[in-house]
Amino acid sequence: AQSVTQLDSQVPVFEEAPVELRCNYSSSVSVYLFWYVQYPNQGLQLLLKYLSGSTLVKGINGFEAEFNKSQTSFHLRKPSVHISDTAEYFCAVSIKAAGNKLTFGGGTRVLVKP
Amino acid sequence: EPEVTQTPSHQVTQMGQEVILRCVPISNHLYFYWYRQILGQKVEFLVSFYNNEISEKSEIFDDQFSVERPDGSNFTLKIRSTKLEDSAMYFCASTHGGGGSSYNEQFFGPGTRLTVL
Repeated sequence: AQSVTQLDSQVPVFEEAPVELRCNYSSSVSVYLFWYVQYPNQGLQLLLKYLSGSTLVKGINGFEAEFNKSQTSFHLRKPSVHISDTAEYFCAVSIKAAGNKLTFGGGTRVLVKP
Repeated sequence: EPEVTQTPSHQVTQMGQEVILRCVPISNHLYFYWYRQILGQKVEFLVSFYNNEISEKSEIFDDQFSVERPDGSNFTLKIRSTKLEDSAMYFCASTHGGGGSSYNEQFFGPGTRLTVL
């Protein structure tokens, strides 16, 4: 079974400051890794994913994440946040099989202050 | 751009009543999912559905839950006798699942907020 831990439940950050959201996972098999964003009253939107290859992946809205196999981590970063980045962010994993389910972390609520 | 839709956006029901949550997945997708998110908690997998049958279900998905694809477009989640603890946001998702790849992006609907009184 897989599990995902997001170490921070809430992260307040000032506009134009950098932000890092931490994610650690546990799995006995190789996994795909994802970050999803949920804006207020909306569904989940894929920010970025790690499937294979380069450990640094870039996503939408200026976000990037780095896969670290030895530390089983997949931390999300943005060098300069905007007010519009206020949302909840979920890290997720799935095993490498077609149609397999996603296992989510508990989420990190990012509040960007002016 | 194709999207997953869900109805209703909010459902209020009395404990013990049956509810049906509806989803219309993206039209050429082959795998369908239900997830739920209890307020303040993580998003949890309930069930996946492929080729007109359940392919995987979680321990949450007990005999009170059922899924169905009654026609070529809808995918429903039925809760036979709702409990207070069923109050949550329920998300439907779908993925194409084909093309010989083990990865296919899951697309999520906006969710149905179920409130059980």
